Amino acid sequence: AQTVTQSQPEMSVQEAETVTLSCTYDTSENNYYLFWYKQPPSRQMILVIRQEAYKQQNATENRFSVNFQKAAKSFSLKISDSQLGDTAMYFCAFTSGTYKYIFGTGTRLKVLA
Amino acid sequence: DVKVTQSSRYLVKRTGEKVFLECVQDMDHENMFWYRQDPGLGLRLIYFSYDVKMKEKGDIPEGYSVSREKKERFSLILESASTNQTSMYLCASTAFQGKYEAFFGQGTRLTVV
Repeated sequence: AQTVTQSQPEMSVQEAETVTLSCTYDTSENNYYLFWYKQPPSRQMILVIRQEAYKQQNATENRFSVNFQKAAKSFSLKISDSQLGDTAMYFCAFTSGTYKYIFGTGTRLKVLA
Repeated sequence: DVKVTQSSRYLVKRTGEKVFLECVQDMDHENMFWYRQDPGLGLRLIYFSYDVKMKEKGDIPEGYSVSREKKERFSLILESASTNQTSMYLCASTAFQGKYEAFFGQGTRLTVV
């Protein structure tokens, strides 16, 4: 069975500092897609960053980057220069390209002023 | 700006009532999903639809049904609401092919009393 595990229920970081959110997954698939989604207190879930498993290069979107370790089945999110607007629930998600998405249980991140 | 719109942000219903949650997307997406979000459990798939009038059960379909009469609209129905269905409900849509990014509605917080 495919699973996604986020082992950090809550984290906090000082404004302007860097924080890393962890995610591990389990699958027997070779081709798949990994995502980090952000759900701010207003609740609209939005995509932060996306990684295709066949790409070795780690994805980057402005202050957000991932450390994708395919062999270790690890997909962590690094947020640099943290801002107050980064306060949110972050979900790691997996899909093999079928209809099904598997989500982790989420990490609640609080950025402190 | 692409949108997934859920008909209500907050809903309070009585035990035993039949409840309809509506979701509309304007991206011409083939796939639509209903998730339930509970603290510590992440997002759990209730039902999904990959085409008009087509539906598949997700991980927790008991007590729910769905309807997709038009491509842009996907409804979740609680046949007889119970207190254990008090939760946040999220609708999402994805294209059949492409980047597999899921677009989410703003969520409906349902309270069954």
